[in-house]
Amino acid sequence: ETGVTQTPRHLVMGMTNKKSLKCEQHLGHNAMYWYKQSAKKPLELMFVYNFKEQTENNSVPSRFSPECPNSSHLFLHLHTLQPEDSALYLCASSPAFVDRIYSGNTIYFGEGSWLTVV
Amino acid sequence: QKEVEQDPGPLSVPEGAIVSLNCTYSNSAFQYFMWYRQYSRKGPELLMYTYSSGNKEDGRFTAQVDKSSKYISLFIRDSQPSDSATYLCAMSAETPFNDYKLSFGAGTTVTVRA
Repeated sequence: ETGVTQTPRHLVMGMTNKKSLKCEQHLGHNAMYWYKQSAKKPLELMFVYNFKEQTENNSVPSRFSPECPNSSHLFLHLHTLQPEDSALYLCASSPAFVDRIYSGNTIYFGEGSWLTVV
Repeated sequence: QKEVEQDPGPLSVPEGAIVSLNCTYSNSAFQYFMWYRQYSRKGPELLMYTYSSGNKEDGRFTAQVDKSSKYISLFIRDSQPSDSATYLCAMSAETPFNDYKLSFGAGTTVTVRA
């Protein structure tokens, strides 16, 4: 157990569906992240929240919509996805940034949600 | 040029062998270097974490950083079948700006044969 829990672990959705991925962390962290992992590619940072405030949107298409209601929970709302969006979506958390300076503490990942778009 | 280069392998070794993994990078500002292990269909888990140059040892694992060559390595001694996984290198810079982003390698898949 990493302290970061993701649900569902597997999701198959059609291109016209709307679904959501959920992430919850039990580490007392205040920063949360969404990453995309595709085969043979480096992890791609999608979104970052620090104290519930979005601090990064890494040119992610609007069909991905994040939501962070509190420091322990993070959602990724999905709608009208494309087959190329099929990937492993990883949630992560870390201690918060202080004065926008990264302390170098590393991040902890959940086990991921496998998404297949058909 | 990719910011972080990592040979994807796959790498297959017999049990008990030394596994040698490495990454090269282009950003001289990187100060923090990490190795993550990812088992099949699982999320990455932190394995080793070093700051700046030098060596760090933890049991059978040794991480080395050579900032002058922009080269980092991970060695696994007395490898076991349970070490079979994908190993990801990651690094970040420490700047006054909003640079909390980790830059990842693509990962090297390792199989240790019993």
